[in-house]
Amino acid sequence: DAGVIQSPRHEVTEMGQEVTLRCKPISGHNSLFWYRQTMMRGLELLIYFNNNVPIDDSGMPEDRFSAKMPNASFSTLKIQPSEPRDSAVYFCASSGQVNYGYTFGSGTRLTVV
Amino acid sequence: AQSVTQLGSHVSVSEGALVLLRCNYSSSVPPYLFWYVQYPNQGLQLLLKYTSAATLVKGINGFEAEFKKSETSFHLTKPSAHMSDAAEYFCAVILSSNTGKLIFGQGTTLQVKP
Repeated sequence: DAGVIQSPRHEVTEMGQEVTLRCKPISGHNSLFWYRQTMMRGLELLIYFNNNVPIDDSGMPEDRFSAKMPNASFSTLKIQPSEPRDSAVYFCASSGQVNYGYTFGSGTRLTVV
Repeated sequence: AQSVTQLGSHVSVSEGALVLLRCNYSSSVPPYLFWYVQYPNQGLQLLLKYTSAATLVKGINGFEAEFKKSETSFHLTKPSAHMSDAAEYFCAVILSSNTGKLIFGQGTTLQVKP
């Protein structure tokens, strides 16, 4: 099993540009989560999906952020337009059963200049 | 309200010494509890989990944690620290099995001195 796969690993973009982060969960996992990690705020849950359906997006900071999960093997997190304060590491995680915990991807380090 | 609190953002120990990282949770029902470790520039790796079975849970790399309901605690310990244990450690809780929403503490950075 290749684990949770995120791409790209690093992204540097200019303010105002659109950024798309991608995630492939572990096959068979029915829940997918997007987190953001910063020094100031720690790990924040942005949104999570269950069986491809968004369940809770209350952590999405602004309308500039959107997430989709068109099928069980792929999810995207989009920021449009991006701002310097969006610079962070974005993690995707997936889970099969609640009591098993989550498996995290390696993250995407986003820098908006 | 904070669901999980880690006491001490930085902990420093000498190599070979006991490691104790503290975690307290706030929940009226027994939650699912987890400890994750994050090495520099890497993702989070599951160390161990409590899911209402044995209260003393053993994890990877010699770590263990004890669930104490009376103290609402889930402290992480290791008898003898190695240099390779230097990392950031996160306590996390799932309060509702219906949502499966994992809430993290603020993290504790463990420094191991030679």
